[in-house]
Amino acid sequence: DTAVSQTPKYLVTQMGNDKSIKCEQNLGHDTMYWYKQDSKKFLKIMFSYNNKELIINETVPNRFSPKSPDKAHLNLHINSLELGDSAVYFCASSQARPAHAGELFFGEGSRLTVL
Amino acid sequence: GESVGLHLPTLSVQEGDNSIINCAYSNSASDYFIWYKQESGKGPQFIIDIRSNMDKRQGQRVTVLLNKTVKHLSLQIAATQPGDSAVYFCAESEGGSEKLVFGKGTKLTVNP
Repeated sequence: DTAVSQTPKYLVTQMGNDKSIKCEQNLGHDTMYWYKQDSKKFLKIMFSYNNKELIINETVPNRFSPKSPDKAHLNLHINSLELGDSAVYFCASSQARPAHAGELFFGEGSRLTVL
Repeated sequence: GESVGLHLPTLSVQEGDNSIINCAYSNSASDYFIWYKQESGKGPQFIIDIRSNMDKRQGQRVTVLLNKTVKHLSLQIAATQPGDSAVYFCAESEGGSEKLVFGKGTKLTVNP
């Protein structure tokens, strides 16, 4: 049983397209996150939801829109994809809020390549 | 803004040696620190954490040291094994903040 699962694992698409990445956690956690990891392995938080409520929205282009239909799911939709969006996107969850009260459980990542 | 960084981007050790991975942070208000390990093709995994009211914490084969005076964090891995080869991240959080800020990562290579 995968605790935090993301789909798809790999995504190759053309510039200008719209794509979505889905995330589900079966840990019963209330808080979920999206992180972006660039080619230099730098991990930067994008969004965080607590019980379907947006609590972190970093300086991310509004082409990125997270959606949390319930507390076990946090999806990421990206409009008008650009070359610079190429990265590995990690979903994570934590039991506690705020984040520093406990560890984050990460998914395996979704590698997005924009051509 | 303030950030978390690492002194060394790569570290190569012999199997059985002890490894020390360093991290400098600049936010003096940070009060919680975590080390994560990321193996190739996988997501980061929690190793150990420490709060600012402590200066040392030990786990299984790992020890985290916190020096608040110089804003420095280190991860010590005893008897390093090939399975320890990975990228290691330190991360920090300020009290009351929702965010965990990650450093740039150090790639540890263990040679047999």
